[in-house]
Amino acid sequence: GAVVSQHPSRVICKSGTSVKIECRSLDFQATTMFWYRQFPKKSLMLMATSNEGSKATYEQGVEKDKFLINHASLTLSTLTVTSAHPEDSSFYICSAHERGLNTEAFFGQGTRLTVV
Amino acid sequence: RKEVEQDPGPFNVPEGATVAFNCTYSNSASQSFFWYRQDCRKEPKLLMSVYSSGNEDGRFTAQLNRASQYISLLIRDSKLSDSATYLCVVNSPGKLIFGQGTELSVKP
Repeated sequence: GAVVSQHPSRVICKSGTSVKIECRSLDFQATTMFWYRQFPKKSLMLMATSNEGSKATYEQGVEKDKFLINHASLTLSTLTVTSAHPEDSSFYICSAHERGLNTEAFFGQGTRLTVV
Repeated sequence: RKEVEQDPGPFNVPEGATVAFNCTYSNSASQSFFWYRQDCRKEPKLLMSVYSSGNEDGRFTAQLNRASQYISLLIRDSKLSDSATYLCVVNSPGKLIFGQGTELSVKP
């Protein structure tokens, strides 16, 4: 199947700093990628839809200035958590579809962010 | 009401048991349906798509009832390796909506 690579897999940062997470589609082009957040024992919550060459679409309640998304190429989307605080600690995961939304979603390995 | 709701877990079953998971969705415009499996601290992986006619893949059977907006997953002859969280996923047009997941623990 298609491969989506996410980096880093784990990061610990200090409060007030920013963290960038990368999501790459390795063997296909993805005009759209999705960013999710998952709390322990909870499901994936869609944060935003990343669109290549245009602004991301954010879900209700997600601060766009807090979670900056850039999708500058057909194979790379980045999520930057700005001025991170302990409550931003979570599992962040991206996904992309090789053949459209009605087909399988391929997920990155996820990034476990801990803000201290 | 949540867009996608699943049975609360966890399900603790012995090896060889048959276990059924249920899921309901609220958006009648939903177009496609999936079951994903997520192991602890890992990314979700597709288990199977769900079709109106029902579909089977080995020990796994998925069914969809559009009229009732209901999806099910049946696992027969449970194995220890089936222990995971099972996510019901619905394509609510334009984006995937995940259920909260049902944790399955298969014991020897």
